[in-house]
Formats: sequence, C-alpha cells, structure tokens
Amino acid sequence: AQSVTQPDIHITVSEGASLELRCNYSYGATPYLFWYVQSPGQGLQLLLKYFSGDTLVQGIKGFEAEFKRSQSSFNLRKPSVHWSDAAEYFCAVSEYGNKLVFGAGTILRVKS
Amino acid sequence: EAGVAQSPRYKIIEKRQSVAFWCNPISGHATLYWYQQILGQGPKLLIQFQNNGVVDDSQLPKDRFSAERLKGVDSTLKIQPAKLEDSAVYLCASSLVTSGRDEQFFGPGTRLTVL
Repeated sequence: AQSVTQPDIHITVSEGASLELRCNYSYGATPYLFWYVQSPGQGLQLLLKYFSGDTLVQGIKGFEAEFKRSQSSFNLRKPSVHWSDAAEYFCAVSEYGNKLVFGAGTILRVKS
Repeated sequence: EAGVAQSPRYKIIEKRQSVAFWCNPISGHATLYWYQQILGQGPKLLIQFQNNGVVDDSQLPKDRFSAERLKGVDSTLKIQPAKLEDSAVYLCASSLVTSGRDEQFFGPGTRLTVL
C-alpha cells in the first residue's frame, strides 16, 4: 500500500527566510504527487501537483516542489516566506482511481 | 464558480447519538469523496462515489457509517451510533472525473465533537 511520510510535525521560520518541507512516499510505480495547504477552519487548497515530465514543479503563492525518484521525495520549497503562509501543509500521493493518501501534515509557524 | 458546500460546519453530540453531514459538490463534478481528518493526522478517505455509484468504501466502518449520493449530485454521510473516536473533521471533496490526475476540490469541512 502507498504511504506518505512528512518527518517534521512543526517547523518555525522567520518571515523572509527560505522554507523547505519534506515529503517521502512509498509507491511502486510513478506516482502522482500533490501538496495541499490548510488554513485554520478552511478546506484544503491545492498548491501544486506532479504527474510526469519536468521534476521541478511550480505552484501557486510562489511555492515549488522537486520530485526526486532516487530519494522517493517530493519536497516543497519557497524562497521567501510571508506571515500569511502560516498554515498546515499536506503532501499526498494518488493511487489508482484518484484516491489520495495523505501524510500527517507539517504545521508551519512564521515569526516576525 | 461556487465551491464545495458542506453543512453543518460544527456539530456536538453525545456518544451513541446519530448525526448526518451534507455535501453539495461543484456543479458537473462526477466524483465525490468523503474524508475523515482526525486531529494531528492527514485526511483519510472513507468513501468515493462516481456519479451515484460507490467506487471505494474499503475504509468506511460500515457497522456505523453510511453514505449515499442520490441522483449523482448531493451526498450525505451518516454515523449511527457515534463513538468518541469519531470526533474529527469530515471533509467532502469533488473532482470532474476519476483519473488520478484530477484536482480534488475540498469543502470547508464539518467538525464533529462526540462527548
């Protein structure tokens, strides 16, 4: 069965600093990979997705992610964090039939 | 374009009571999903519908949970009787089709507290 691991439960960064959130997956074939963001009291919003092709994927709000097959990773990055980026971030992998399997999430805190 | 609508937003019940959640997906979306998100965990798929047929309900606790999607549009998720461990946020999502590549659009969720 597929699984997703997000090793960091909480991350705190200073506003303006760079950010990297880690995600490792377990899947036999080429995965479909996603990053979602969830603000308090809100549903999940898709940041970006990877299906195939270029391993560096650009998303909304200035986020990007890089797919590394050799490391089974799909880390999310942002060069300069804004206070409004504080939220919980979920990495997910899609199984056959569009079923999403989510990681446990990483809570991002931004300090001014 | 209207998003996925869910109601109620919050519900508090006693254990062994019944509760129902409602979801209205984005117009034209054939696929509808119900996820359970327990505090501190990522969402877990409970059931997936394609139009009004069930595609996957392998993780739905069928002794107490039921769901239906009449006419392939709105859906209701019911818990009867509720247990303490059912306290969670219940998220509804929809997508155009079921291909693994389609973006799922999520509603705001219903936060259930079972006392």
